[in-house]
Amino acid sequence: IAGITQAPTSQILAAGRRMTLRCTQDMRHNAMYWYRQDLGLGLRLIHYSNTAGTTGKGEVPDGYSVSRANTDDFPLTLASAVPSQTSVYFCASSVNSNQPQHFGDGTRLSIL
Amino acid sequence: GQNIDQPTEMTATEGAIVQINCTYQTSGFNGLFWYQQHAGEAPTFLSYNVLDGLEEKGRFSSFLSRSKGYSYLLLKELQMKDSASYLCAVRDSNYQLIWGAGTKLIIKP
Repeated sequence: IAGITQAPTSQILAAGRRMTLRCTQDMRHNAMYWYRQDLGLGLRLIHYSNTAGTTGKGEVPDGYSVSRANTDDFPLTLASAVPSQTSVYFCASSVNSNQPQHFGDGTRLSIL
Repeated sequence: GQNIDQPTEMTATEGAIVQINCTYQTSGFNGLFWYQQHAGEAPTFLSYNVLDGLEEKGRFSSFLSRSKGYSYLLLKELQMKDSASYLCAVRDSNYQLIWGAGTKLIIKP
């Protein structure tokens, strides 16, 4: 079934550790996005990529990095996790930046 | 700054009609989206408006007034499965989505 796969589903991580959240899509979408969702707040864009080989910063990029080596994969890395990065992380993709975004099932990340 | 406002929570009765409002102030406007999100799940796309007026899709309709910075999502013939959060998002001048915090809709029998 075509779609977006995120891994892991959930993770508990010690502060200071490095962590990479994986995101893979098989819909050949050009654009991909990483959001975090916190209680009482709207989805906030962390980083995005309009096409393979390019990335851009969103609203809350500090402490996070991304890469887009190919069309399908868009990993998000926390270089040194802090408790304020505890959140639910959603990866999304769209045909291009004009089209609706389709979301993965999310990664629930707790930083202790 | 950019701002999307929606009611935090609404309650409605099964079989009834409910209207969820969204007002926005953004740097530019390139369309407005509504998404549905069930608890613990991913958001799923419902509707898209870029021109003023009403877009109808089955039991769901979405309205846009660009001059008023206003949209609503209308849900008819409510079913228990419609209990979810409804997210309003505006695409700004940079073609990025600015999201509201969502409206939690509770459906009672």
